[in-house]
Amino acid sequence: DADVTQTPRNRITKTGKRIMLECSQTKGHDRMYWYRQDPGLGLRLIYYSFDVKDINKGEISDGYSVSRQAQAKFSLSLESAIPNQTALYFCATSSGRDNQPQHFGDGTRLSIL
Amino acid sequence: AQKITQTQPGMFVQEKEAVTLDCTYDTSDPSYGLFWYKQPSSGEMIFLIYQGSYDQQNATEGRYSLNFQKARKSANLVISASQLGDSAMYFCASPAPYYGQNFVFGPGTRLSVLP
Repeated sequence: DADVTQTPRNRITKTGKRIMLECSQTKGHDRMYWYRQDPGLGLRLIYYSFDVKDINKGEISDGYSVSRQAQAKFSLSLESAIPNQTALYFCATSSGRDNQPQHFGDGTRLSIL
Repeated sequence: AQKITQTQPGMFVQEKEAVTLDCTYDTSDPSYGLFWYKQPSSGEMIFLIYQGSYDQQNATEGRYSLNFQKARKSANLVISASQLGDSAMYFCASPAPYYGQNFVFGPGTRLSVLP
């Protein structure tokens, strides 16, 4: 089983719809992150969380919200989806140690028509 | 590092040859780490190799090694004996102090290995 699991893997939806992307992890990490990837721009941070009571905005949080339901679960919501939110979305976890990588889920391909 | 630059949008290499993918970074922090990830066409992000700013030796992991030049602020990835399965996007990344030590990523380099 994957250490970081994202659902769904793919989603096509219409403008104005509410969408939730879910992430769960078995790494035991406190830190969780949501990124989006657009061609030519690398990954950009949307939100991050250090524990269930700690939620913080990232570089591009407008139009998104998150929920940390448990140490292992971190969900990303698009309240009213728009076409320029079409992207590949990644959840990641981290131990926070300087020499440790972030661990990524397999990504969710989201298309908004 | 606060900013990561990868100047090669695309690279080609012949199978079994070595290839170097460039990464430069901008930071004023005395202590930092640099990470390389591989993203195949299936989309997942795979961690390859890490270099710490205080490491005395260049990092190596199998066919991957880093050419770390601290004074030049560069951490280039070297892939030896390229294989067809190495065709992918490659990202250089580093933790940043702004958002909970999130990783700042470069724009990536697309590597194509030719048979």
